[in-house]
Amino acid sequence: AQKVTQAQTEISVVEKEDVTLDCVYETRDTTYYLFWYKQPPSGELVFLIRRNSFDEQNEISGRYSWNFQKSTSSFNFTITASQVVDSAVYFCALSVQMDSSYKLIFGSGTRLLVRP
Amino acid sequence: DAGITQSPRHKVTETGTPVTLRCHQTENHRYMYWYRQDPGHGLRLIHYSYGVKDTDKGEVSDGYSVSRSKTEDFLLTLESATSSQTSVYFCAIKAATLGQETQYFGPGTRLLVL
Repeated sequence: AQKVTQAQTEISVVEKEDVTLDCVYETRDTTYYLFWYKQPPSGELVFLIRRNSFDEQNEISGRYSWNFQKSTSSFNFTITASQVVDSAVYFCALSVQMDSSYKLIFGSGTRLLVRP
Repeated sequence: DAGITQSPRHKVTETGTPVTLRCHQTENHRYMYWYRQDPGHGLRLIHYSYGVKDTDKGEVSDGYSVSRSKTEDFLLTLESATSSQTSVYFCAIKAATLGQETQYFGPGTRLLVL
């Protein structure tokens, strides 16, 4: 089965703490993509990052960093020095190849609350 | 901003009535998708389109139909709405950014079926 598991339903931290959101996936595809999206309280889905299965290099973008480990089928997301504006639901997603495109399989999301 | 709009943004309807949601894009993307978001499930694909008049089913397509008569519009129809179709519906397009194809989402339509 192809699935994405975000075991942390909700995380609460105090501002300036570091926080890691876990994502574990299962796939039978040899080539695939992993994504993170942010859904703030306003409801839209904001694309954060895409990672190719053949590229295990970690990535850093400002306070955000991503750790992709194929050996453990994980694609974890760390926010350093969290801020109140980081409060949102974060979704991890996995691409699944279809005939002419791919669809996304989403995890159930992790709600992050950053308290001042 | 991927140039995607959805209408209506909010709708309340009654069980058994037909409902059509519209997704409109301004950048001539070939691929368009409809997902639904429900608590505990993340987002799930309903239908997608790979061109004008070319559509296919996703994993939760029962009770839904789609049409794409022109590139910019992708319509989702609930033939006879049921309470289980109360959800938030997101349209997405596939676009390439820096050589990487990614799905970008519209603002969503919140549908309540009474």
